[in-house]
Amino acid sequence: NAGVTQTPKFRVLKTGQSMTLLCAQDMNHEYMYWYRQDPGMGLRLIHYSVGEGTTAKGEVPDGYNVSRLKKQNFLLGLESAAPSQTSVYFCASSQRTTTDTQYFGPGTRLTVL
Amino acid sequence: AQSVTQLGSHVSVSEGALVLLRCNYSSSVPPYLFWYVQYPNQGLQLLLKYTSAATLVKGINGFEAEFKKSETSFHLTKPSAHMSDAAEYFCAVSERGGYNKLIFGAGTRLAVHP
Repeated sequence: NAGVTQTPKFRVLKTGQSMTLLCAQDMNHEYMYWYRQDPGMGLRLIHYSVGEGTTAKGEVPDGYNVSRLKKQNFLLGLESAAPSQTSVYFCASSQRTTTDTQYFGPGTRLTVL
Repeated sequence: AQSVTQLGSHVSVSEGALVLLRCNYSSSVPPYLFWYVQYPNQGLQLLLKYTSAATLVKGINGFEAEFKKSETSFHLTKPSAHMSDAAEYFCAVSERGGYNKLIFGAGTRLAVHP
């Protein structure tokens, strides 16, 4: 049982390049989330999904797109990376209740030059 | 909109001393409340959560937190700090009836010195 895994762990991009971050969970969770973590700001929700084929915007969605084609996977895309997107990105998943624990992946450290 | 305030971005204690990390939320309806811990270069893991049962919640590693509606607070405590408690701690809230979306505080980095 691997829990929540994220690929890749580290990435360096140039401004304007694109990339996709992959999140996978093996706990059969309905809900999945993408957060970014910046110093002094805690974690902020980018996008989330409440089931296969559904996605919704969170607090800071601009510049990102997501897809959830399979229940166990949640992809985060950057179409044209900007230095402001330099951050650590965390994926999380939970059961379909408002009080369930969110389980977090190990994070992806992204640097945009 | 809901918000979470963690007073003190850095807290330093001696090994064996009381740990107190402060968290206040802003909401007219008491939300669900969580404390997460992040060790260096790792993801977050749940310490404890308040979901409308007992107001004093016990978590892992000897931590506990008390929900005080009148003070809109959910402070985290541990009677005796251990070196292994050094980490960053995040308080978070989720709205009742929502999709379990978390709103995090800015975090408090706890240092424990001998």
